[in-house]
Amino acid sequence: DAKTTQPNSMESNEEEPVHLPCNHSTISGTDYIHWYRQLPSQGPEYVIHGLTSNVNNRMASLAIAEDRKSSTLILHRATLRDAAVYYCILVIRGNKLVFGAGTILRVKS
Amino acid sequence: EAEVAQSPRYKITEKSQAVAFWCDPISGHATLYWYRQILGQGPELLVQFQDESVVDDSQLPKDRFSAERLKGVDSTLKIQPAELGDSAMYLCASSLAQQGNEQFFGPGTRLTVL
Repeated sequence: DAKTTQPNSMESNEEEPVHLPCNHSTISGTDYIHWYRQLPSQGPEYVIHGLTSNVNNRMASLAIAEDRKSSTLILHRATLRDAAVYYCILVIRGNKLVFGAGTILRVKS
Repeated sequence: EAEVAQSPRYKITEKSQAVAFWCDPISGHATLYWYRQILGQGPELLVQFQDESVVDDSQLPKDRFSAERLKGVDSTLKIQPAELGDSAMYLCASSLAQQGNEQFFGPGTRLTVL
């Protein structure tokens, strides 16, 4: 399974943008890049996904490098409710998710 | 808004006992997944169903774990006998069948084996 590399933790101030990086140098041409987050004591929650082009939705933006070997999840204005573990996942055939350890995002007020 | 339902939310059992978890996916979702999440780690896929058929159970410890989705709707995951190392969160998720679609997760069942 293709792997991703994320920082163990990051910290942000409330109301400021957050850029969460992810490296996936072994990505193949058909792998989708998915981001999920997991709030404390809850199941994971889908955030966004993309294949080649940058994507925007109401929760976040996903910036994908031209060579697709890295991507960045952008939260435009972090709130305390965005404190969670963020997982960057390459989705291979059959929609299988292989979770890594993710990035723990702490948001300071 | 439609949600994935799981029960029970919490389960405490003694080792060597049998336990079962139930999941009801979002209506119309053909694909159902069971994950196990050990504290401090990301979820690990145990089994994936497409309708009533198992399409991936490569990480399911088949000597003690079993999963079924008889009518292609709700699903049951069973552990018999439970071991101390089975203490974890068991998560169910569902999705439309196509690759790239998001998975919707339930709240999970927290299992503690004493």
